[in-house]
Amino acid sequence: QLQLVESGGGVVQPGRSLRLSCAASGFTFSTYAIHWVRQAPGKGLEWVAIISYDGTNKYYADSVKGRFTISRDNSKNTLYLQMNSLRAEDTAVYYCARGGWQSFQGWLDPWGQGTLVTVSS
Amino acid sequence: SYVLTQPPSASVAPGKTARITCGGNNIRSKTVHWYQQKPGQAPVLVIYYDSDRPSGIPERFSGSNSGNTATLTISRVEAGDEADYYCQMWDSSSDHRWVFGGGTKLTVL
Repeated sequence: QLQLVESGGGVVQPGRSLRLSCAASGFTFSTYAIHWVRQAPGKGLEWVAIISYDGTNKYYADSVKGRFTISRDNSKNTLYLQMNSLRAEDTAVYYCARGGWQSFQGWLDPWGQGTLVTVSS
Repeated sequence: SYVLTQPPSASVAPGKTARITCGGNNIRSKTVHWYQQKPGQAPVLVIYYDSDRPSGIPERFSGSNSGNTATLTISRVEAGDEADYYCQMWDSSSDHRWVFGGGTKLTVL
């Protein structure tokens, strides 16, 4: 069945880096855009980034632009989020979610179970 | 940038109808999707393209989009519908942004 599984979360000090992964299965990964969405403790959903199905186009929320980099390896059915210069306000559960088929239009479905990133000294 | 506005909370008695709104400037010209999130779980898509329902989502869930308000309607509410609900759209007008509403906590009385 369709599945996305995130990994790589943990506790990291402010200013340090962390890389998240999202392993996909049950669908043709290379034909879908994929999103990262985060949720701070007790807060709502915040869109973080998207990458096109072929990796050529990427867009970021203003809050992470210049610090985070989204990438994908279609040969490994895996999405990544490289997070640099982490701040306390980046503390959140990070979800990956499948986007549109060969386009940016469309809904987010399914979602992974999320991985918690805690930025703290 | 485009803003989606949801009421923070809503409450409804079992068996009644819940309506959760999502306000935005001329939102009827956008395509709105809705997600349900229960405590400790990942969000689940319940409505896409304003009013379409994914397989596995009960017919009690429906959506509409008109003027400056999109609405998620849950008929014959059950205790299991208690959750946070988020609207979402793609703002392609400027630099691409995917926007979520602030979420509505639905309480079943």
